[in-house]
Amino acid sequence: DAGVTQSPTHLIKTRGQQVTLRCSPKSGHDTVSWYQQALGQGPQFIFQYYEEEERQRGNFPDRFSGHQFPNYSSELNVNALLLGDSALYLCASSLSYGELFFGEGSRLTVL
Amino acid sequence: AQKVTQAQTEISVVEKEDVTLDCVYETRDTTYYLFWYKQPPSGELVFLIRRNSFDEQNEISGRYSWNFQKSTSSFNFTITASQVVDSAVYFCALSEYNNNDMRFGAGTRLTVKP
Repeated sequence: DAGVTQSPTHLIKTRGQQVTLRCSPKSGHDTVSWYQQALGQGPQFIFQYYEEEERQRGNFPDRFSGHQFPNYSSELNVNALLLGDSALYLCASSLSYGELFFGEGSRLTVL
Repeated sequence: AQKVTQAQTEISVVEKEDVTLDCVYETRDTTYYLFWYKQPPSGELVFLIRRNSFDEQNEISGRYSWNFQKSTSSFNFTITASQVVDSAVYFCALSEYNNNDMRFGAGTRLTVKP
């Protein structure tokens, strides 16, 4: 049973560019949440998708957007990258309000 | 507003020592859930335990045990007879009922030396 898979694992971008991160949830899970984890800090909630809709959003600017597809996979898009967007981006899947299962993350470096 | 505080930034112990990781939380809700996750160097957050606010019974799972005390808003995690493989960053987290914004503490980096 495959767990949560994320791609790419590492990527480097320059300021002002745009990035798309992808997530495939654990088999059977219908809900995907995205978190940003800066170095030395705990993860921070970006948003959650359920039934292809953004169900809840954390305190992140509109430069952060997402999408959930009919197969429950999800994408996180970040526009106009800033140096401060450098972080580990974690995807978590769950059954609606159940426990979160995390992927290994996509490490983004913005130069 | 919900908040989780892990005051211990780093802890270093020698193998076979017992170690307790502290977690203090704040919430106005009466229904909430508390979690512990382990983050090895690979980056994946590994789920360890979930407790709901109505169940203060302590739990033991092998070498791991958890002490939940609502009176002090604490949910502490003890590893008995620590092993080198326990070295990781441990996060305590809080989720209020019907709130998908799970709040994490800053984490405690545990190093277990042989």
